[in-house]
Amino acid sequence: GENVEQHPSTLSVQEGDSAVIKCTYSDSASNYFPWYKQELGKRPQLIIDIRSNVGEKKDQRIAVTLNKTAKHFSLHITETQPEDSAVYFCAASRTGTASKLTFGTGTRLQVTL
Amino acid sequence: DGGITQSPKYLFRKEGQNVTLSCEQNLNHDAMYWYRQDPGQGLRLIYYSQIVNDFQKGDIAEGYSVSREKKESFPLTVTSAQKNPTAFYLCASSILRVNTEAFFGQGTRLTVV
Repeated sequence: GENVEQHPSTLSVQEGDSAVIKCTYSDSASNYFPWYKQELGKRPQLIIDIRSNVGEKKDQRIAVTLNKTAKHFSLHITETQPEDSAVYFCAASRTGTASKLTFGTGTRLQVTL
Repeated sequence: DGGITQSPKYLFRKEGQNVTLSCEQNLNHDAMYWYRQDPGQGLRLIYYSQIVNDFQKGDIAEGYSVSREKKESFPLTVTSAQKNPTAFYLCASSILRVNTEAFFGQGTRLTVV
């Protein structure tokens, strides 16, 4: 089955700096890669996703890049703000949908003032 | 108010007892999922269902059972056969179309005492 590894497990950045979280996946048939943000005590929520036929996708301060050859994808957050502090999960699916997602172990991002 | 509702928020169970976690959605989603969240291990798929009266095992189904008698409901039973049931359980739902997100409930924290 699919295996998704996520690094780092914790990340601390100063407000205004950039943050990068990296994930690798094992199943070359995976074709959908979402990122979820979970704030303390709240439910995970989708923040951005990318399909295997796209190399990069941006949404304001958030971007995701995908390297299919190397089987890794990354989340980039620029100009970080305190409200970006949360746990971020990457995931992969071979169905192209939210069905049967395999999640990474999560990255706890702390944005300090 | 559309959404996905899990109850109860906190649940305590004596060792050896079965317990059922509730998950209801009014989003008219076809697919529903149960994930288990443990510290440092991300979200792991227990069971999923893409249509009423049908469900499939996920990666860690042993010791759990589900039913899908109605589109809106997908209860999870944690049986006494589950060796380490103390965890945070998240229910989610989605439509089965590309680029659609999984909507999560607020979660149920189960503690075995």
